[in-house]
Amino acid sequence: QVTLKESGPVLVKPSETLTLTCTVSGFSPSNSGMGVSWIRQPPGKALEWLAHIFSNDEKSDSPSLRSRLTISMDTSKSQVVLTMTNMDPVDTAMYYCARISVRMTGTVFDDWGQGTLVTVSS
Amino acid sequence: DIQMTQFPSSLSASVGDRVTITCRASQNIATFLNWYQQKPGKAPKLLIFAASNLESGVPSRFSGSGSGTDFTLTISSLQAEDFATYSCQQSFSTPLFTFGPGTKVEIK
Repeated sequence: QVTLKESGPVLVKPSETLTLTCTVSGFSPSNSGMGVSWIRQPPGKALEWLAHIFSNDEKSDSPSLRSRLTISMDTSKSQVVLTMTNMDPVDTAMYYCARISVRMTGTVFDDWGQGTLVTVSS
Repeated sequence: DIQMTQFPSSLSASVGDRVTITCRASQNIATFLNWYQQKPGKAPKLLIFAASNLESGVPSRFSGSGSGTDFTLTISSLQAEDFATYSCQQSFSTPLFTFGPGTKVEIK
């Protein structure tokens, strides 16, 4: 059974750096064609893909947030870490990690964590 | 950037109704289109991949169609557990991905 679990602070002050950890089980991020992605959803708004990483260290992130995002993987711990600098109240959202799978028919997010709500406020 | 739009943004329907949701891409994305269901307070769940392929374990009352820029998600006979928000997502511009704004299906 595939599980992903997000962990990190629930409250961050403006200008601070957010660090989120995704711990996975039931699959190895080192499996070919599978990786871990971060996706967020502000309250009442749409899902927004942020970044992803594969075991070969192939990574990509959203152009609109690129200067603020860093994603890394520790395969020995089955963890993926996302850092986002210079947090702002508009970054208040539910942050999800999800398994990203590259299929012949395209790329999907086929398993998701429960999400962690991050509020940015002084 | 590929922009995704959905309509309607919300709809009210009764159990047993046939429901159709439309997703439109700002450019041709072939069939690189996935659909997700999200219930309140829960994470999204993959329903359909590559426009028309049912993910394992998803009831057959869900179906998807379309290619190019226009896609539809159909629920043939709405059940109580189907009241949720449905979002489309394009994977044409891999490794960059975008989601639609979502369609909320509510009980009439």
